[in-house]
Amino acid sequence: DQQVKQNSPSLSVQEGRISILNCDYTNSMFDYFLWYKKYPAEGPTFLISISSIKDKNEDGRFTVFLNKSAKHLSLHIVPSQPGDSAVYFCAASASKAAGNKLTFGGGTRVLVKP
Amino acid sequence: GAGVSQSPRYKVTKRGQDVALRCDPISGHVSLYWYRQALGQGPEFLTYFNYEAQQDKSGLPNDRFSAERPEGSISTLTIQRTEQRDSAMYRCASAGHVQETQYFGPGTRLLVL
Repeated sequence: DQQVKQNSPSLSVQEGRISILNCDYTNSMFDYFLWYKKYPAEGPTFLISISSIKDKNEDGRFTVFLNKSAKHLSLHIVPSQPGDSAVYFCAASASKAAGNKLTFGGGTRVLVKP
Repeated sequence: GAGVSQSPRYKVTKRGQDVALRCDPISGHVSLYWYRQALGQGPEFLTYFNYEAQQDKSGLPNDRFSAERPEGSISTLTIQRTEQRDSAMYRCASAGHVQETQYFGPGTRLLVL
C-alpha cells in the first residue's frame, strides 16, 4: 500500500511558465514533508520542505503548499527554467516516530521546454 | 565539501553470490540511512544508524540483508546469496542528526544475473 503517491508520472511545461507537481499521502502520522530533485546518474538532492504546522513554505522560485485536511501537498516552480528538467520526488516522515525515515512517492519527471 | 560517496557505482554479480555495498557519509554526520530504489519508483527505506548503533532495520526484506557501521562512519550493506529480485539501485543518505535533512549519495546499481 503506497502511503505517498505522485499520480502524474510526467509533466511538460514551457520555459517561463509555472510547473505544479502534486503529491498525496494517506498516513496521518506524517508531519514533515520534503521535495527532492534528481538528475540522471546522480542521487536525489534536497529542494524544499514543510512542517505540518505550516501551510506554505517558499524558497526563491520554489513554493510548497500543504493541505492537511486533504492530505495533499504541491510544489510550484515559477518561472520554470530548462535546468529544472529532472525527476521530482515527494517524501514524508513522522517526526514522532524514531529515525525520521522517509517514505517517497514514485516521482514526477518534469521537462521544461525552451 | 565532499558529499556522500558510494562504491562500487555498478555491480554485476551472479545469482547466489554475496555482495557488499559501501557508503561513506558526509564527515561528522551522525545518522546514516540505506534505501533501495526500483526502476521507476521512489527510494524505499531499508535501515538506519545513529553513530554505530543500528536503530531500525524494519525495511530489510529478509535475513539475507544486513548492514553495519562499526565505527560510526563508513557503512556496509551486505546481501548474501543474491537473487535476481535484489537487482535495484541501493542508495545511502546521511544527516547531521536524526531530525535533519538527509543527503543522498549517487547510489550503487546492482544487477544480479
